Amino acid sequence: KAGVTQTPRYLIKTRGQQVTLSCSPISGHRSVSWYQQTPGQGLQFLFEYFSETQRNKGNFPGRFSGRQFSNSRSEMNVSTLELGDSALYLCASSFGPGAQYNEQFFGPGTRLTVL
Amino acid sequence: KNEVEQSPQNLTAQEGEFITINCSYSVGISALHWLQQHPGGGIVSLFMLSSGKKKHGRLIATINIQEKHSSLHITASHPRDSAVYICAAPHSGGGADGLTFGKGTHLIIQP
Repeated sequence: KAGVTQTPRYLIKTRGQQVTLSCSPISGHRSVSWYQQTPGQGLQFLFEYFSETQRNKGNFPGRFSGRQFSNSRSEMNVSTLELGDSALYLCASSFGPGAQYNEQFFGPGTRLTVL
Repeated sequence: KNEVEQSPQNLTAQEGEFITINCSYSVGISALHWLQQHPGGGIVSLFMLSSGKKKHGRLIATINIQEKHSSLHITASHPRDSAVYICAAPHSGGGADGLTFGKGTHLIIQP
């Protein structure tokens, strides 16, 4: 069974631009969660989607948004990029909703650099 | 919001030593996750546990729900165990949410 895939793996953008990252979950998984990892803040929860609905959102500004498609693939979008958005963006999939009861399977991440 | 604390932040040990990493959290939960992250960023889920103890190879995870504390042990440590170990608890402690992460323990096992 193929694991969680994320594209692109690396991305360089300039301030003010927008970016879209993609995550394909493990086949059969319906939940996708997104996380941001930076050296200063560590790993932080962005949002979770289950069956095309955003169920939860972390403490991030509205510039960070996402969506999930009927095949469970998910995208996250960051508009008006800032230098501080440089980070490793990870997605994780699980069969059911939420991390309370479901093991999370992580993708390799997309490393975003904002210049 | 759940607060997750890990200790130690950094740990260097010799091959073969018994390793213990501790994790405490502030809000009662039903399950806690232990993750491993190697250089390059990839994260692997090691354990999700809600009570007692789980074992996988040389790795053992324990949790005490009443004391809001969990430990990860590595027996007969090996240089390939060198990685960052992260514990994570559900975001708000109840219901089905994303994860709140500890800052991680950077483990180096020297041959």
